[in-house]
Amino acid sequence: AQSVTQLGSHVSVSEGALVLLRCNYSSSVPPYLFWYVQYPNQGLQLLLKYTSAATLVKGINGFEAEFKKSETSFHLTKPSAHMSDAAEYFCAVRNSGNTPLVFGKGTRLSVIA
Amino acid sequence: EAGVAQSPRYKIIEKRQSVAFWCNPISGHATLYWYQQILGQGPKLLIQFQNNGVVDDSQLPKDRFSAERLKGVDSTLKIQPAKLEDSAVYLCASSLGLAFTGELFFGEGSRLTVL
Repeated sequence: AQSVTQLGSHVSVSEGALVLLRCNYSSSVPPYLFWYVQYPNQGLQLLLKYTSAATLVKGINGFEAEFKKSETSFHLTKPSAHMSDAAEYFCAVRNSGNTPLVFGKGTRLSVIA
Repeated sequence: EAGVAQSPRYKIIEKRQSVAFWCNPISGHATLYWYQQILGQGPKLLIQFQNNGVVDDSQLPKDRFSAERLKGVDSTLKIQPAKLEDSAVYLCASSLGLAFTGELFFGEGSRLTVL
């Protein structure tokens, strides 16, 4: 069965510092991987997705993620954190076919001025 | 374009009462999903529709939860009778089709508190 593990339920960074949110996946077949962001009292919004094309994926708001098959990882990064990046971030995986999108437990990002 | 609409945004009920949530997906989106998000956890799929047919309801507690999408557009999720552990945010999402690379568009959610 497919699953994702997000390391760290809460990450705190200073404004301007590097953001690194970790995600490891488990899948018996090549996966499709996603990062979603959820701002307070809002729905989830797609940040970026990996669909077996380029392993380095660029998303919105300056975020990017790199698919590393050897490490079964899909970590999310941003070179310089902004106060507006404070939110909950979810990694998700989906296999081919009709399998559902499976989410990790989420990582709450706090940005300190 | 208009996003996914959900109502009500908040609902407080006592255990054993019933509740219904409504979702209107983005126009033209054939696939509709209901997810349950318990505090501190990621969203969990309850049911997935393709037009008005059910694609996956394997994680829907069918003894108390029901959902329908009669005309292949909007959908209703019902809980009867509610339990304390049903306290969660119920998220509705839609997508153009079943393509597994496709983006899901989420509504703002309906927050249920069961006392």
